[in-house]
Amino acid sequence: EVQLVESGGDLVQPGGSLRLSCAASGFTFSNYNMNWVRQAPGKGLEWVSYIGTGGYTIYYADSVKGRFTISRDNAKNSLYLQMTSLRNEDTAVYYCARDYRSSWRYYFDYWGQGALVTVSS
Amino acid sequence: QSVLTQPPSVSGAPGQRVTISCTGSSSNIGAGYDVQWYQQVPGAAPKLLMYGNDNRPSGVPDRVSGSKSGTSASLAITGLQTEDEADYYCQSYDVSLSTVVFGGGTKLTVL
Repeated sequence: EVQLVESGGDLVQPGGSLRLSCAASGFTFSNYNMNWVRQAPGKGLEWVSYIGTGGYTIYYADSVKGRFTISRDNAKNSLYLQMTSLRNEDTAVYYCARDYRSSWRYYFDYWGQGALVTVSS
Repeated sequence: QSVLTQPPSVSGAPGQRVTISCTGSSSNIGAGYDVQWYQQVPGAAPKLLMYGNDNRPSGVPDRVSGSKSGTSASLAITGLQTEDEADYYCQSYDVSLSTVVFGGGTKLTVL
């Protein structure tokens, strides 16, 4: 059974930093691209970042570019999101999500339960 | 403002049929990119409900169906049940933005 379990969510002050982790199990982690997707309270879904299987192909949403860093450790079956210069508007539940993509089809087939990040003074 | 446009809410009585629309543009759905749908029950993570416009993942009942035409897509649920009450999000890829894009979500209420 595919499982994705996020951890590291917390209350942090504006300008602060936080690192989220996502532990994967039930599939060969190193064979799959991964993503972070977030959801602000009462709002919709927003894609945040993507990382390829080897960790070399990386994309970010404009809203987090230069502040967030995605990484992975295939030996530990883990995905990470290092967040710096946090803003109030970064307050959200952050989900890690397994990626599927082909020429015309891009989607997330499995999601974790989410980690709540609250940015507030 | 979401790149894909969904109605904020839809409702129906148990046993009825409802549809949720998702309208995009020539840089996403209209460009040929497939549409996916996710179901999110309150307090839970999103779950893939439909992929590749009209394909159901294992475990999704056949009373749920999807379609795509031009720059729009639709999700239909027949034989509504109370357990269908949730938020539904459409998703595609936008070639101009070079990112995955979501609709704003539709809250389905079973009356």
